[in-house]
Amino acid sequence: EPEVTQTPSHQVTQMGQEVILRCVPISNHLYFYWYRQILGQKVEFLVSFYNNEISEKSEIFDDQFSVERPDGSNFTLKIRSTKLEDSAMYFCASSFLTVSTDTQYFGPGTRLTVL
Amino acid sequence: DQQVKQNSPSLSVQEGRISILNCDYTNSMFDYFLWYKKYPAEGPTFLISISSIKDKNEDGRFTVFLNKSAKHLSLHIVPSQPGDSAVYFCAASARQGGSEKLVFGKGTKLTVNP
Repeated sequence: EPEVTQTPSHQVTQMGQEVILRCVPISNHLYFYWYRQILGQKVEFLVSFYNNEISEKSEIFDDQFSVERPDGSNFTLKIRSTKLEDSAMYFCASSFLTVSTDTQYFGPGTRLTVL
Repeated sequence: DQQVKQNSPSLSVQEGRISILNCDYTNSMFDYFLWYKKYPAEGPTFLISISSIKDKNEDGRFTVFLNKSAKHLSLHIVPSQPGDSAVYFCAASARQGGSEKLVFGKGTKLTVNP
């Protein structure tokens, strides 16, 4: 069964450093998402991406965050200058159609620890 | 901002019995609801969904009920199996509003005892 994959599974970084989290969505999917879950809290939406553009973003997704689909398979989330409060599980998701008509399938997550 | 609330952080049931997980929402724009299941060290796995035009959707052992007037939905698992032990998340979206995001509850940890 096709699945969303994410690398690395765990990333440790120093505050102020840049990190790039990588995702390979399901191959025929067209819509891509990033969510995060701070320990003990809810899963929160960050951004959705379609046709090489951000289609929606939350208040969390400020100028420190960016997303890119550098080739036909990868979807990345970059945090330019990490803060302690960026420590969380980051989940990538993808869907064939929009949330209006299709389900979002999630990857296993990347645990980001900012020291 | 708790638009989707799961008020029970945990639930414990015996194998073979019914598990009922509850979810309440406050945003009347939500028109599509989903349940995801999550094991430790894995991402959320889609279980079942329901549109606001329905009040029930069934898939095998899983049934979701929606009460729009009460802004309440529930997930029934019958019969419960030990492999169902996981954290269950309720999520909602406002499809007609054109939003792409899923809004999640905090989750309920289900333990099914053999």
